[in-house]
Formats: sequence, structure tokens, C-alpha cells
Amino acid sequence: DAGITQSPRHKVTETGTPVTLRCHQTENHRYMYWYRQDPGHGLRLIHYSYGVKDTDKGEVSDGYSVSRSKTEDFLLTLESATSSQTSVYFCAISGQTFSTDTQYFGPGTRLTVL
Amino acid sequence: GQQLNQSPQSMFIQEGEDVSMNCTSSSIFNTWLWYKQDPGEGPVLLIALYKAGELTSNGRLTAQFGITRKDSFLNISASIPSDVGIYFCAGRFSGNTGKLIFGQGTTLQVKP
Repeated sequence: DAGITQSPRHKVTETGTPVTLRCHQTENHRYMYWYRQDPGHGLRLIHYSYGVKDTDKGEVSDGYSVSRSKTEDFLLTLESATSSQTSVYFCAISGQTFSTDTQYFGPGTRLTVL
Repeated sequence: GQQLNQSPQSMFIQEGEDVSMNCTSSSIFNTWLWYKQDPGEGPVLLIALYKAGELTSNGRLTAQFGITRKDSFLNISASIPSDVGIYFCAGRFSGNTGKLIFGQGTTLQVKP
């Protein structure tokens, strides 16, 4: 295991409420990523971080924000959750091995927005 | 946005059969990765390919980096029930901070 935990693992919330998902790593990896997984779409990148306080948008970033105040934690926030954000969210890390290409994934968070 | 076309979308095979799946892209990648996802878990890296034409094996799995750099193939020989899961290909462009583009996945079911 690559030392990645995600919390919570499951969450049910209502439309319009704020939601924060947490990714925690113990590997001191530089890069961290948030993906969402939906049937027929594979994994799509939401946001990523290339260092503390350094973040950038992925391909499906609308409605999401992120923060990284420490190397080990990367937070994903849905400011006002919508039903279209019902999905499984995965955090990934990379950057400590000889290549930055190898991403290791966390166990996922299943989010349901009613 | 960029897309990878992964096929087939799903496969239902008999235990012991060989399996082939592939990914194609309109863009050139400098890295191809293959992941497997078990139900309720995150994807796990199976094979990484870094050079056009490269052929790499991991047990019963063999993957190839297409010579055009626009495609990749994964073969599983003598399938077993624990091969069940979703297989994803992923491609990486040169110099983009490790960002990957994923295929839609191939769902594999194996009948004992």
C-alpha cells in the first residue's frame, strides 16, 4: 500500500450543502491529485497539487476547490454540492519514485448528493 | 478534452482463456500505464511503459507501447477468477507534471 487514506469513505449529503473530502499521505510525495470516477467516463482529473500551496485545475474543476497547507494533506471542497457531483472520488499521489509518472491511488470516497 | 479510446468496454470469458484489450489516442504519449481496479477499491498499477515499442511483462500480464506512441495493448494469459475487475489504460504527455489521461475502462468477468 502506498500510504494513502481518504476520509470519509462514504458520505450522503443534500443539494446545496458544503462538503470537504480529505486525502492524507504518509509518503512525503510531492504531487497529489483528485479524480472523480463515473460510469462510462473512467477517471477524470479535478485538481492537482505540485507542492504546498501550489495547485492547478484539471479537466472537470468547475464546482470544486482544493487546498494543500501541508505536504501530507490535500483537501477537496464542494462549496455547494449538486446532484451531478454524486460520484466516487479518488485521491492519488506521485513524485517520490524515480519517475513522476506512477500514480498511487487511495481507496476512494463514495459521495451521494440527494 | 483529450480522450483515450479503450476497447472492448466489457468482456465475459471462460477461465483459462487469454484476454486482449487496447487503447488508442489521437495524441502522442511518452508514457502508457495500465491499472486494475477491484470492486470498492482504488486502481492499482499493473504495468508502466516508457518507450515506443517496449514490451513489458508482469506475471501473466504483458503490455506493449505502440510504435506510433498513440496506442497500447494489454494481454492477460490463462485468465483466473481473480482477474475480474476493471482495467484502465492511462497516457501521459511529456512534461505536464504527471497528469494522466485515462481510458473509459474494460470490465472483465471470468467464469470459473
